Amino acid sequence: DAGVIQSPRHEVTEMGQEVTLRCKPISGHNSLFWYRQTMMRGLELLIYFNNNVPIDDSGMPEDRFSAKMPNASFSTLKIQPSEPRDSAVYFCASSKIAGAGETQYFGPGTRLLVL
Amino acid sequence: QQPVQSPQAVILREGEDAVINCSSSKALYSVHWYRQKHGEAPVFLMILLKGGEQKGHDKISASFNEKKQQSSLYLTASQLSYSGTYFCGTESRRGSNDYKLSFGAGTTVTVRA
Repeated sequence: DAGVIQSPRHEVTEMGQEVTLRCKPISGHNSLFWYRQTMMRGLELLIYFNNNVPIDDSGMPEDRFSAKMPNASFSTLKIQPSEPRDSAVYFCASSKIAGAGETQYFGPGTRLLVL
Repeated sequence: QQPVQSPQAVILREGEDAVINCSSSKALYSVHWYRQKHGEAPVFLMILLKGGEQKGHDKISASFNEKKQQSSLYLTASQLSYSGTYFCGTESRRGSNDYKLSFGAGTTVTVRA
C-alpha cells in the first residue's frame, strides 16, 4: 500500500508569494494531520481533520495559514503571503481515526524555504 | 503542552543500553514513540496505552506509568541502525472525539561502532 504522499518535496519561494502544500492520506484513513518541524520549535501540530472536518486548528500560526480537505483523499495547506520565518519542514500524517491510541503515519515532508 | 524528554542527546557504543524518558504534566491516554533519521519523516515505533501496557519492537521496548504520567523507552544492545532522534508523542483526551498528540523536543541518539 502507498503511504502518505506529499508534494512538492522541496519548495523554494520568495517572501510574499503564495505557497500550496499538498497531501494524500493513506486510503481508508479518516484523520489527517498537518505538522511543522523546525529546529527551534520541534514538531508542532498545526491542524487536524476528522472525516474531512477541521477539528483543531489552534496550532495554525496566523491568518496567513489556511488548510482545506475537500475530500477524503486530498488536503492542502496554504500560506499566503509567505514569510522567511515560515521556512520549515511540513509533514502530513494520517491515521484511521484521531485518538484512541491510533498510529499516525507520516509522509516524507515538504521542505519549504522562503527567501 | 509539550511533554518533556530527557536526555537531550546520548552517545552509545554498539551493544550498550540507553533509556529515554518522557514526562507530561497532563493525564495521559497514550504515549507514542517515533524515530526520525536525518532528512527523513518520523517513523512509528510503538504505542503504549493507559493501563500500564508495555509493548516492544525488536530490542526496543517501552513502559508507561500513567500515575506518574511518564513513559520510558529502552534501547537494549544498541545497533548502528538505532541512531536517530526519538520523539515521544503524548495523547490527552480533551473531549469526546477530540484528541491531540503533542510531541516532545526529541532525544538524539548516536550509536558508534
